[in-house]
Amino acid sequence: QLQLQESGPGLVKPSETLSLTCTVSDGSISTSTYSWDWIRQPPGKGLEWIGTISYAGITYYDPSLKSRVTISIETSKNQFSLELSSVTAADTAVYYCARLESATYFHYWGQGTLVTVSS
Amino acid sequence: QSVLTQPPSVSAAPGQKVSISCSGSGSNVGSDSVSWYQQLPGTAPKLLIYEDNKRPSGIPDRFSGSKSGTSATLGITGLQTGDEADYYCAAWDRSLSARVFGGGTKLTVL
Repeated sequence: QLQLQESGPGLVKPSETLSLTCTVSDGSISTSTYSWDWIRQPPGKGLEWIGTISYAGITYYDPSLKSRVTISIETSKNQFSLELSSVTAADTAVYYCARLESATYFHYWGQGTLVTVSS
Repeated sequence: QSVLTQPPSVSAAPGQKVSISCSGSGSNVGSDSVSWYQQLPGTAPKLLIYEDNKRPSGIPDRFSGSKSGTSATLGITGLQTGDEADYYCAAWDRSLSARVFGGGTKLTVL
C-alpha cells in the first residue's frame, strides 16, 4: 500500500521560507500515471490546494500563492518538496501531500504536518 | 470564499439519508470530474467518490455521487454516528488552471 509522509520544521518565523518534503514509500514517484500535490488546511478551516507537480516536472500552482510557491521532485529519493516563501501567520496550517490519480482525484494522502508561523 | 459552494452544515437522524450539494460553474464542475472526501476529526481526508459517481474499493454503497450540469451531489443513506465528519468536493478549474475545493460541509448525525 502506497504511503506518503510529510516532514519538515513545525515552526517557521514570519518572512522566512517554509520547506517541507513528502517521502513516497511502497510505490515509485517516477511514473507518468500520477501527479503529486500539496494541500493545506488552516486551523478550523477548509482544504486549500497549493499546487501539483508531474513526474516530468510540470507544475501548476494556486494563483493566490503562485508568486511564493515552488514544488520540486527528486525521483532518485522518491520525494517531492514544497517551498513557500515570505510566510505570515496566515500560512499556519496542516500541510498534506497527496497523489493525484487520473488527473482528477486524490486517493492517497499523507497524515499531514502542522506548520506554525510565529516569531 | 470558495470557488465551489457547499452548505456549511447538514444534519439528520441515524438511519436516515442526507444529500450534500456542490455548486460550481462551467469551468470546473461543468467540465471536469468531481471527487468527494470525508475528513474525520484530526485525520487526513479520505476519498469517498471519484469521477463524479465511482466508489473506491472499501467504500460502502451507502455513499453515492451524482452530477448534473454545474452541480454535484454526495448522497449518504443509512446514516451512522461514525459518518459525522466534514465532507469536501473538488474539481479542476480550467479558467484558473487550479484545483478547487468546496468550503466543506459538516455532517451531524443527531
